[in-house]
Amino acid sequence: GAVVSQHPSWVICKSGTSVKIECRSLDFQATTMFWYRQFPKQSLMLMATSNEGSKATYEQGVEKDKFLINHASLTLSTLTVTSAHPEDSSFYICSARAFRGSGNTIYFGEGSWLTVV
Amino acid sequence: AQSVTQLDSHVSVSEGTPVLLRCNYSSSYSPSLFWYVQHPNKGLQLLLKYTSAATLVKGINGFEAEFKKSETSFHLTKPSAHMSDAAEYFCVVSARAGGTSYGKLTFGQGTILTVHP
Repeated sequence: GAVVSQHPSWVICKSGTSVKIECRSLDFQATTMFWYRQFPKQSLMLMATSNEGSKATYEQGVEKDKFLINHASLTLSTLTVTSAHPEDSSFYICSARAFRGSGNTIYFGEGSWLTVV
Repeated sequence: AQSVTQLDSHVSVSEGTPVLLRCNYSSSYSPSLFWYVQHPNKGLQLLLKYTSAATLVKGINGFEAEFKKSETSFHLTKPSAHMSDAAEYFCVVSARAGGTSYGKLTFGQGTILTVHP
């Protein structure tokens, strides 16, 4: 079945550096992918909608210059956390929608744990 | 290890009739459980969550779910379906392990709810 691969699963980076998280749809094309973040003891928060070939649509309160999203192909979206700080430590997860003949299904990556030290 | 099984990929009901979306989980640790809804072309929205308090959890839009440990289930119900309830629903488990405030999220594959007039 369709699979969304997210990499890396775990990443530790130093404060002030940038880190990139990839989200790949392995056997289907995804014109739209979603990026979410989970704060401690809270549920998922939608950060942005990633659109292939165009700019991402960010949710209110999400810093566009800090969380750079690129969707350069139909199977890959990347989230880059720039100048990371400890408060950016969180769980990030992507999802992608696969369109089939009889409808569509959304698939999730397994998530990426980011720790900024 | 943890997993989530949504027993029905599609559920179809008539407007005004009850809704039942089934979810079974497995987890090595005390789980938190969530139900999310996604309307077409929109991101996830939290319906309700269980985090070890009352086993019957009430959410938004008249939805509720009951945590049954003996049955490892967390089924979502609503007494009377509305046309606006038509969407895709995800059951999610998060296991708290080793003193962390939250664990890895595992999503079910989703249940598409169709509501007929």
